[in-house]
Amino acid sequence: QLQLQESGPGLVKPSETLSLTCTVSGGSISRDSYYWGWIRQPPGKGPEWIGNLYYTGSTSSNPSLKGRVAISVDRSKNQFSLKLTSVTAADTAVYYCARRETIVTLGTFDIWGQGTMVTVSS
Amino acid sequence: EIVLTQSPGTLSLSPGERATLSCRASQSVSSNYLGWYQQKPGQAPRLLIYGASSRATGVPDRFSGSGSGTDFTLTISRLEPEDFAVYYCQQYGSSAFTFGPGTKVDIK
Repeated sequence: QLQLQESGPGLVKPSETLSLTCTVSGGSISRDSYYWGWIRQPPGKGPEWIGNLYYTGSTSSNPSLKGRVAISVDRSKNQFSLKLTSVTAADTAVYYCARRETIVTLGTFDIWGQGTMVTVSS
Repeated sequence: EIVLTQSPGTLSLSPGERATLSCRASQSVSSNYLGWYQQKPGQAPRLLIYGASSRATGVPDRFSGSGSGTDFTLTISRLEPEDFAVYYCQQYGSSAFTFGPGTKVDIK
């Protein structure tokens, strides 16, 4: 059974870079029918899509984050990573990694990690 | 960006009652790319409905989705105790994904 697990620092200082990794277990990240996504959820608010990655390294991201997002893949470790630069308190949220399957469930995210809380504070 | 609006913000109902949740989009959404999620406190969202009306694996048949264009509905036919949660709609269009602000279904 496919599982996703986020890891990374729970506290980041303002203006610094937030870095998280998602480890995929129980299946290969290199399947041509899957995209891998990052989604965040500020406390008490709805989720916000950050960006997606295809195993080839192709990425897309939310225009509202104004080029602060970088998503990369390490196929040898079955992991993908998120870097969000120049963080502020507004970036405080639970960060999730998730899978988007493109044959059946199409534009939705069918498997999610448990999430990791990241707080931006000095 | 397509903006999703959900109503009501909170729905107070009793177990056994029917719940009707609305999701409205600022512009037309392909039904293939509209989904609904359930989220309980401290948990990740769980996919319930994809393609506007198809139930995800393991989702009970008391959950159903409908709609097209800009108006979509999630219906829970008879609320079970485990259904009290927050529900989000989500769409994919113009190379971006957006979520609604959520509807909380709580116990009356």
